[in-house]
Amino acid sequence: AQSVTQLGSHVSVSEGALVLLRCNYSSSVPPYLFWYVQYPNQGLQLLLKYTTGATLVKGINGFEAEFKKSETSFHLTKPSAHMSDAAEYFCAVTTYTGRRALTFGSGTRLQVQP
Amino acid sequence: DAGVIQSPRHEVTEMGQEVTLRCKPISGHDYLFWYRQTMMRGLELLIYFNNNVPIDDSGMPEDRFSAKMPNASFSTLKIQPSEPRDSAVYFCASLRGGGTGELFFGEGSRLTVL
Repeated sequence: AQSVTQLGSHVSVSEGALVLLRCNYSSSVPPYLFWYVQYPNQGLQLLLKYTTGATLVKGINGFEAEFKKSETSFHLTKPSAHMSDAAEYFCAVTTYTGRRALTFGSGTRLQVQP
Repeated sequence: DAGVIQSPRHEVTEMGQEVTLRCKPISGHDYLFWYRQTMMRGLELLIYFNNNVPIDDSGMPEDRFSAKMPNASFSTLKIQPSEPRDSAVYFCASLRGGGTGELFFGEGSRLTVL
């Protein structure tokens, strides 16, 4: 079985500041990891994903995440926050063996202050 | 290409009424998922299908919930009878089995049971 823990249900940053959203996972087999973003009254949109290969992955809107197996982490970062980044962010995990559904974390709401 | 299409986008009904939510997955995707999102419980997997066959329905709350996928391009989630605690946003998502595990989400159906 796999699980995801997102530390911090709310994160507030100033415009132009670094964004860091934390995600730790648990999986008994090599995981596939995802970050999704949800804007108000919308569905979830993929930001980036790690499957195999390079552990630093780049996504849309200037976000990136690094897979660290030793720390079982997949934190999401962006060097400079923009007002349009305000949304809810979900980390998710799956594996390619057995159950194909994504298991989601509880989400982190990002506020960007002017 | 069209994404995952859900209907209705909003539904308000009274307790005891039957509710049917509909989903059209992306053409060529062979997995379909129904998730429920609430403030208290976050994103929960209800059921998923592979090639129109239900694979895992362990997340279906109780017998009042049922889901069908009569063909590759259509699925329904039915609640009968509905209760106020069923109020939530219901998301449909689809996935291509030979891909990298990314789920594509619809815009969601917001259900309010009075």
